[in-house]
Amino acid sequence: DTAVSQTPKYLVTQMGNDKSIKCEQNLGHDTMYWYKQDSKKFLKIMFSYNNKELIINETVPNRFSPKSPDKAHLNLHINSLELGDSAVYFCASRHDSYGYTFGSGTRLTVV
Amino acid sequence: GEDVEQSLFLSVREGDSSVINCTYTDSSSTYLYWYKQEPGAGLQLLTYIFSNMDMKQDQRLTVLLNKKDKHLSLRIADTQTGDSAIYFCAESPSSASKIIFGSGTRLSIRP
Repeated sequence: DTAVSQTPKYLVTQMGNDKSIKCEQNLGHDTMYWYKQDSKKFLKIMFSYNNKELIINETVPNRFSPKSPDKAHLNLHINSLELGDSAVYFCASRHDSYGYTFGSGTRLTVV
Repeated sequence: GEDVEQSLFLSVREGDSSVINCTYTDSSSTYLYWYKQEPGAGLQLLTYIFSNMDMKQDQRLTVLLNKKDKHLSLRIADTQTGDSAIYFCAESPSSASKIIFGSGTRLSIRP
């Protein structure tokens, strides 16, 4: 019973394509996040949703669009993929200040 | 501003203690965290400390917090080969609904 699950685990795609990464949490948390980890392992927040509403949108290109159909799901859609989008994308959820639970990550490779 | 800093590498002999240090900037942070990332894996919450505590011990792990200097450390006693990983320090500012990570410290164990 994975608490925060992301699919797919690996994604290899060509430049210019559009792709989506899905995330689901079964913890009943109100807030969900997307983080990006680059090749140097730096982790930066991209988006946060609370109860299906966008509350954090860092300086991310608008080719990235999060979608939250309900509070248990936060998907990430990426248009016109570029080489620099290659990274590991982590979904996370939170109930209060303690309790950030991360998914296992999606490794995106753009060729 | 929001910034969490830690050294990038640490090498210790098996059986010795490892001490990973971290400094943060936001004095309003109510929780401070240590996450572990093994190669190819996701982020695992190791431990956390509430800002009104000075120390927290959990088996081989000891967290020390110096709030005046905004300094956090993680001590791993009797370091084993399974402790090889990247360790991320993180803060959760009270003003922001997000967790901010340091650059990660890569811990390697030598025989």
